[in-house]
Amino acid sequence: GQQLNQSPQSMFIQEGEDVSMNCTSSSIFNTWLWYKQDPGEGPVLLIALYKAGELTSNGRLTAQFGITRKDSFLNISASIPSDVGIYFCAGRVSGNTGKLIFGQGTTLQVKP
Amino acid sequence: NAGVTQTPKFRILKIGQSMTLQCAQDMNHNYMYWYRQDPGMGLKLIYYSVGAGITDKGEVPNGYNVSRSTTEDFPLRLELAAPSQTSVYFCASSPPSTDGYTFGSGTRLTVV
Repeated sequence: GQQLNQSPQSMFIQEGEDVSMNCTSSSIFNTWLWYKQDPGEGPVLLIALYKAGELTSNGRLTAQFGITRKDSFLNISASIPSDVGIYFCAGRVSGNTGKLIFGQGTTLQVKP
Repeated sequence: NAGVTQTPKFRILKIGQSMTLQCAQDMNHNYMYWYRQDPGMGLKLIYYSVGAGITDKGEVPNGYNVSRSTTEDFPLRLELAAPSQTSVYFCASSPPSTDGYTFGSGTRLTVV
């Protein structure tokens, strides 16, 4: 079945540093999404990307939809302690089901 | 708006017991999903529904059942609990568009 490979698996950084994570797939997706999960909560949508090559920002977050439609990356600039959590990429499966395939997640820890 | 409500938040089951995880949404979303989250594995789709009366298997449906008698509710049933079903379960809903999901806050299930 379709799979997304997300890396790195975990990151431990100093407050103020920039962070980059990416997601790759052997399949093409028409929509890429990035979610953040705080401890004890469900994931929350951060950014949605709909077109190959699209670069979208949401505050300190920037995400890109790869030209090949098989990858995406997420950058966080000037990290702060509340950025701690698990970040998931997701690709939308083609067809009219709305199904998403999720990456394994990147656990981010920020040291004040 | 409550969004997506999951109950219970925590549950401990003995092997062989059964239970129903409840999920309700008040956003009139057609699409609903059940995922399980295991450490380092991301989110795996168990079952999904594109509307009342319509359900279909996801990636990991064995040991689970669902029903969708109304647009609002999408309960997940475990008939014979097994230790392999120890996990955190998330329900999500979405409109039939390219927007992302709204997740509930999860049910943490332990089978002993």
